[in-house]
Amino acid sequence: GAGVSQSPSNKVTEKGKDVELRCDPISGHTALYWYRQSLGQGLEFLIYFQGNSAPDKSGLPSDRFSAERTGGSVSTLTIQRTQQEDSAVYLCASSLDAGVGEQFFGPGTRLTVL
Amino acid sequence: KNEVEQSPQNLTAQEGEFITINCSYSVGISALHWLQQHPGGGIVSLFMLSSGKKKHGRLIATINIQEKHSSLHITASHPRDSAVYICAVRIALPGSQGNLIFGKGTKLSVKP
Repeated sequence: GAGVSQSPSNKVTEKGKDVELRCDPISGHTALYWYRQSLGQGLEFLIYFQGNSAPDKSGLPSDRFSAERTGGSVSTLTIQRTQQEDSAVYLCASSLDAGVGEQFFGPGTRLTVL
Repeated sequence: KNEVEQSPQNLTAQEGEFITINCSYSVGISALHWLQQHPGGGIVSLFMLSSGKKKHGRLIATINIQEKHSSLHITASHPRDSAVYICAVRIALPGSQGNLIFGKGTKLSVKP
């Protein structure tokens, strides 16, 4: 595709359930980033991948959050045992290489935990 | 203290006005980004700059590395410019991963 895509666009879940959010970066982009935008808050960094490796997981808010990337392409962000405070828009971005060039953002997944 | 501070938080302008949004940061950076987010919409990268000035259409971005300050200017503003403008910096660290640190954004509303 021409840009970064994310799915689903909206996800409503019940507290305690697990959710998986998917990001498909721009073809050829080796770096992939996950960010979160909570209601009324600014954007915050969660995790980034260079290829399939995640050198920096410092932004993950708890051990309920994990992410993986396979084939240097698609990435999945998994939230286990969701809590209401996990409700936010989860954004994915990709760039040609980590620390180089512009980051191109996907449309985001709006997660609502009831 | 936030590492990236933007001002103003909210800005209302009349169509045609010249607009300036400011961004100050307290860390060493390798690049600064200006992003645009429309209501309910995704984020679009407007500029990435590490020195000097860039222009794209009616938008101009400047950065002063010594003063750790950047400005985004919009000339001849139009209601379609109404959006949240976000300043983000990439910290300069050896082997920097390139993740961004964001300001809280400036909500711009341009009235016809």
